[in-house]
Amino acid sequence: DGGITQSPKYLFRKEGQNVTLSCEQNLNHDAMYWYRQDPGQGLRLIYYSQIVNDFQKGDIAEGYSVSREKKESFPLTVTSAQKNPTAFYLCASSIVSGRETQYFGPGTRLLVL
Amino acid sequence: AQSVTQLGSHVSVSEGALVLLRCNYSSSVPPYLFWYVQYPNQGLQLLLKYTSAATLVKGINGFEAEFKKSETSFHLTKPSAHMSDAAEYFCAVSGYVGSTLTFGKGTMLLVSP
Repeated sequence: DGGITQSPKYLFRKEGQNVTLSCEQNLNHDAMYWYRQDPGQGLRLIYYSQIVNDFQKGDIAEGYSVSREKKESFPLTVTSAQKNPTAFYLCASSIVSGRETQYFGPGTRLLVL
Repeated sequence: AQSVTQLGSHVSVSEGALVLLRCNYSSSVPPYLFWYVQYPNQGLQLLLKYTSAATLVKGINGFEAEFKKSETSFHLTKPSAHMSDAAEYFCAVSGYVGSTLTFGKGTMLLVSP
């Protein structure tokens, strides 16, 4: 089955710790995205990548970093500089960026200990 | 620039009643518009998409939406609500080719027996 997988489903972060969220897709999509979801805030774009080895900041990139070394993978690192990381994180992909439909993974919930 | 406003963070209906979820958009170019549904602790699933081919768009699960340029609206409707429709619904807009999606803050649909 083609789709997007995210792991882990739940992740706990200690103060001062960096954590990495995994996102993998087997849809052969060029574009991938990371969103943060907070209650009542909708989805806010963190980073996106239109092609391998290239990515752009979204609206709330501070405290986050990404890499895109393979077409299938777009991991997100939540750094210690992100002071309020507790949220639901969603990864998505589309054939290309822009007007194409985005397909979403099941999400990772990040909690701070 | 592009933006989406969803009127009403919560909408309550009785089972069998009409569902109407409101979405108004702003875009400097002819937009593509999307409705997504999210069930608790899951990713987003596409309901329907407007691409300028037809103003009335039919989606999955009996939902449809009508694009009204004069009103800059793209409201989502379903003639008869079912208990399984209870979820959060997001409207999104994409403007020019190469842009990203901008999401509204979401509307939680509550369905009572």
